[in-house]
Amino acid sequence: ETGVTQTPRHLVMGMTNKKSLKCEQHLGHNAMYWYKQSAKKPLELMFVYNFKEQTENNSVPSRFSPECPNSSHLFLHLHTLQPEDSALYLCASSQDLGNADQYFGPGTRLLVL
Amino acid sequence: ELKVEQNPLFLSMQEGKNYTIYCNYSTTSDRLYWYRQDPGKSLESLFVLLSNGAVKQEGRLMASLDTKARLSTLHITAAVHDLSATYFCAVVPNNYGQNFVFGPGTRLSVLP
Repeated sequence: ETGVTQTPRHLVMGMTNKKSLKCEQHLGHNAMYWYKQSAKKPLELMFVYNFKEQTENNSVPSRFSPECPNSSHLFLHLHTLQPEDSALYLCASSQDLGNADQYFGPGTRLLVL
Repeated sequence: ELKVEQNPLFLSMQEGKNYTIYCNYSTTSDRLYWYRQDPGKSLESLFVLLSNGAVKQEGRLMASLDTKARLSTLHITAAVHDLSATYFCAVVPNNYGQNFVFGPGTRLSVLP
């Protein structure tokens, strides 16, 4: 049973929609991450938060907007997405940055029509 | 440019056989992680290797790290069908902040 939960598990949206992905970790970790997993690319790090502060934005388009209200919750707000944004979006957490194992949530499978 | 490569990318093997998956990386790192992902599921941590020469074993899987060669191996002994999954290595480069860089994954199919 994972200590990292994600909702929704599946999402279909049009290019003009606005939606949000939610991640919650119950592990008392300080760092949280968003990753994108596409069929033909390695796992891509999108955003990193440490103690609620964003420490990394890997050149992610502005149509993806993260929000971290506290160390346990992480959101990814989506608007005007493109079909190529269809992917599995994984949230992860770790006790600290880099030197600790990351625990992954089950992911949100996103399809943009 | 930082690269993490895995070889092979696809592996089909018979039950009972042995095989090794390789993970090469292009920069210095003292920390390497192995993950497993089942189809449609998330990533599950397998091993954490934190020093040169580190070796970890769990069941039929054994991982090792050679930081001088920038190489990690994941050895499968007497494979069983339940090991069918995609295996990822991830590196935390010494001079790249604190973030993981994942390899492309090795998709393993163990045939009865």
